[in-house]
Amino acid sequence: EVQLVESGGDLIEPGGSLRLSCAVSGSTFSNVWMHWVRQAPGKGLEWVGRIKSKKDGETTDYAAPVKGRFTISRDDSKKTVYLQMNSLKTEDTAVYYCTHGAALGSFFDYWGQGTLVTVSS
Amino acid sequence: DIQMTQSPSSLSASVGDRVTITCRASQGISNSLAWYQQKPGKVPKLLIYFASTLQSGVPSRFSGSGSGTDFTLTISSLQPEDVATYYCQNYNSVPHTFGGGTKVEIK
Repeated sequence: EVQLVESGGDLIEPGGSLRLSCAVSGSTFSNVWMHWVRQAPGKGLEWVGRIKSKKDGETTDYAAPVKGRFTISRDDSKKTVYLQMNSLKTEDTAVYYCTHGAALGSFFDYWGQGTLVTVSS
Repeated sequence: DIQMTQSPSSLSASVGDRVTITCRASQGISNSLAWYQQKPGKVPKLLIYFASTLQSGVPSRFSGSGSGTDFTLTISSLQPEDVATYYCQNYNSVPHTFGGGTKVEIK
């Protein structure tokens, strides 16, 4: 059974930085493209970005609202993916989900439980 | 970027009713369309991928169809446990946009 466990969510002031982690078990992690999805309170789902596997170049893509501020990285030896968030804004307040890209395509067959990031002064 | 538009944004139906949710992409995405179910306070769950392939363990009353720009999610006989918000997602190209969601309630 694939499991994803996020950590690192916190209350942070605007302009601050935060790093989220997502530990994956039960998966051939090194072959998987990993994504982050967020959900603001009472709102819908928003794709944040993804990182490809090392064999696919470990390249990253981001949604426009976070591009240049957020960075996704991975450590295959730890089976962990990270989301570094800089220059945080109040509108970044959301539950952040780590998601496991399926082998057949970039839909998400497994989700973490989510971690709450609150950006407020 | 491809925009995903769902309709309706909410609906109320009786137990046993047939429910249909529509998702429209602003550009063709072939069949690279997934549907997710999110029950109140819970993590989203994959229901359907490749527009019509049912994820393992999902009840057969759920079905999906469509290709190109127009897609539908159908619940053939609505059950109380289907109360949730349903989202479509484009995974044909980045950004992998989601639709705005359709909230399904029991009348």
